[in-house]
Amino acid sequence: AQSVTQPDIHITVSEGASLELRCNYSYGATPYLFWYVQSPGQGLQLLLKYFSGDTLVQGIKGFEAEFKRSQSSFNLRKPSVHWSDAAEYFCAVGSDNYGQNFVFGPGTRLSVLP
Amino acid sequence: DTAVSQTPKYLVTQMGNDKSIKCEQNLGHDTMYWYKQDSKKFLKIMFSYNNKELIINETVPNRFSPKSPDKAHLNLHINSLELGDSAVYFCASSQEAGGYDNEQFFGPGTRLTVL
Repeated sequence: AQSVTQPDIHITVSEGASLELRCNYSYGATPYLFWYVQSPGQGLQLLLKYFSGDTLVQGIKGFEAEFKRSQSSFNLRKPSVHWSDAAEYFCAVGSDNYGQNFVFGPGTRLSVLP
Repeated sequence: DTAVSQTPKYLVTQMGNDKSIKCEQNLGHDTMYWYKQDSKKFLKIMFSYNNKELIINETVPNRFSPKSPDKAHLNLHINSLELGDSAVYFCASSQEAGGYDNEQFFGPGTRLTVL
């Protein structure tokens, strides 16, 4: 079964600064990797996803993520953070197996200072 | 148009009551899910249905019973509510039950408070 860890529970950055949120996964086969964002009081919205091909994936809202198989990581980045990016970010791993669980990491809360 | 909708958005009830949360998706997806998000924001899958058939049933109390009248709806019924059931419940849907099209679309959530 797959698992996901997000080492940082809470990160604070200043507006305009760069951002990197860490995600490490454990899965025996090629993983399907996702990043979701949850704004306060809202549901989850997909930022980007990866399965194969170019290991640098572009998403919405200026986010990108890089898949590194050797490190079992799928870190999310943004070059310049906006105040509206303050939210909870979840990394998730799916599988090719029908019906297998889609597992979410514990989330990283991002705060943005003006 | 809302892709995945849930009703109600807020639900406050007494211990011991029975309540239902409804979910509908208009995306034409084959798979639907229920997740529970606890106070620490941890998301845990509860159930998954594909074309009205149960495919994932995690270890949840049997007081929780999902019902899928058709593939666009997945309702969650909870009997004998307990304090520990207080959480935000999210419904989601995806085109496939695995693979690249397993991208899930989430509803806005239902905040359940049991007093």
